[in-house]
Amino acid sequence: KAGVTQTPRYLIKTRGQQVTLSCSPISGHRSVSWYQQTPGQGLQFLFEYFSETQRNKGNFPGRFSGRQFSNSRSEMNVSTLELGDSALYLCASSPGDRNNEQFFGPGTRLTVL
Amino acid sequence: AQTVTQSQPEMSVQEAETVTLSCTYDTSESDYYLFWYKQPPSRQMILVIRQEAYKQQNATENRFSVNFQKAAKSFSLKISDSQLGDAAMYFCAPPSGNTPLVFGKGTRLSVIA
Repeated sequence: KAGVTQTPRYLIKTRGQQVTLSCSPISGHRSVSWYQQTPGQGLQFLFEYFSETQRNKGNFPGRFSGRQFSNSRSEMNVSTLELGDSALYLCASSPGDRNNEQFFGPGTRLTVL
Repeated sequence: AQTVTQSQPEMSVQEAETVTLSCTYDTSESDYYLFWYKQPPSRQMILVIRQEAYKQQNATENRFSVNFQKAAKSFSLKISDSQLGDAAMYFCAPPSGNTPLVFGKGTRLSVIA
């Protein structure tokens, strides 16, 4: 099976812009989770989608949003970018059971100037 | 909410030696899984080992094993016969009721030839 893919791998944006990141899970996986990784805050959970519905949400402002399509692919959107949004954004998929291993994509490196 | 503590920000080990990375957590759940993930310089998160909380026996995966003490809420990772390829950030992750994974701050492991 192909692994989790994320596009684009690298992005450079300026403050105030918006950005959309994409994640394609492993075939058959229904859960997609997003994480933000920064040197200061470490790995933080953004949200999880399961069968096109947001199942869990972390403690991030409303500028961060996401969605999941019927083929389980997911997108994450960040509006009105701030310098502090510069981070590695990781996507992970799993079959959906809470105790399943999560399979991670390579990440999207977002730089906000 | 679960909290996870990895008290060793950095560790080093000589090649072929053994090293133990510590992790403690807090949870109100009784049945759960715990995970150790590895993140090498490529940034790809890779599952190292998984432990089921209801199992008495400690999980083992080749050179990697855990010392799981449920009452003490401790979940340490032992790496035997360390290899250069083991150099990475290691994250402890017990799942919480709200999020798929809650990560510790990580331990950066260096392997000295």
